[in-house]
Amino acid sequence: QVQLVQSGPEVKKPGASVKVSCKVSGYTPTELSMHWVRQAPGKGLEWIGAFDGEDGETISAQKFQGRLIMTEDTSTDTVYMELSSLRSEDAAVYYCATPNRVGASDLWGQGSLVTVSS
Amino acid sequence: DIQMTQSPSSLSASVGDRVTITCRASQSISLYLNWYQQKPGKAPKLLIHAASSLQSGVPSRFTGSGSGTDFTLTISSLQADDFAIYYCQQSYIIPFTFGPGTKVDI
Repeated sequence: QVQLVQSGPEVKKPGASVKVSCKVSGYTPTELSMHWVRQAPGKGLEWIGAFDGEDGETISAQKFQGRLIMTEDTSTDTVYMELSSLRSEDAAVYYCATPNRVGASDLWGQGSLVTVSS
Repeated sequence: DIQMTQSPSSLSASVGDRVTITCRASQSISLYLNWYQQKPGKAPKLLIHAASSLQSGVPSRFTGSGSGTDFTLTISSLQADDFAIYYCQQSYIIPFTFGPGTKVDI
């Protein structure tokens, strides 16, 4: 079964960093392009950024620039999203999702809850 | 950034009803408009991409239309499984912004 399996919940203090993983399971991708979306409690969806598996580049929404790093481990078909300088408003469920040819997210991970609390 | 708006923000409907949700972009996005369904505690599910292309496995009662700045998602005959929140998203220009969502309930 093709699926994206994300890492478990995290609790972080303000100012810390969090690294969320997203593993492709059920098939071997030729490249690991991935989008990341987050959802604060009771709120809507927010697009965070995209990892281009062809060239290893990260493109992020402007509000995350300087705080967001995306990387890959091709040996395990895993993509990572690291967000630094966490603040309370970063508390959310973070989703990874594979983009199709028109940029829509057609396969989603189960979500990773990030709690930011002192 | 491109701003996405949706209307209504919520609606009440019954099984068998025809439901229409609209989405508007702050500038033309051609056909780069996607629709998602999200149920409580679950990841979003892609329903429609490129304005009107039905994602594999999605029932044909879901249809999408529109181009440029104005788009519509229609559910021809609402089923019990369709009560959820629906989001539009533009994938024309990064950041790929989402609309605020439309909650469909009984």
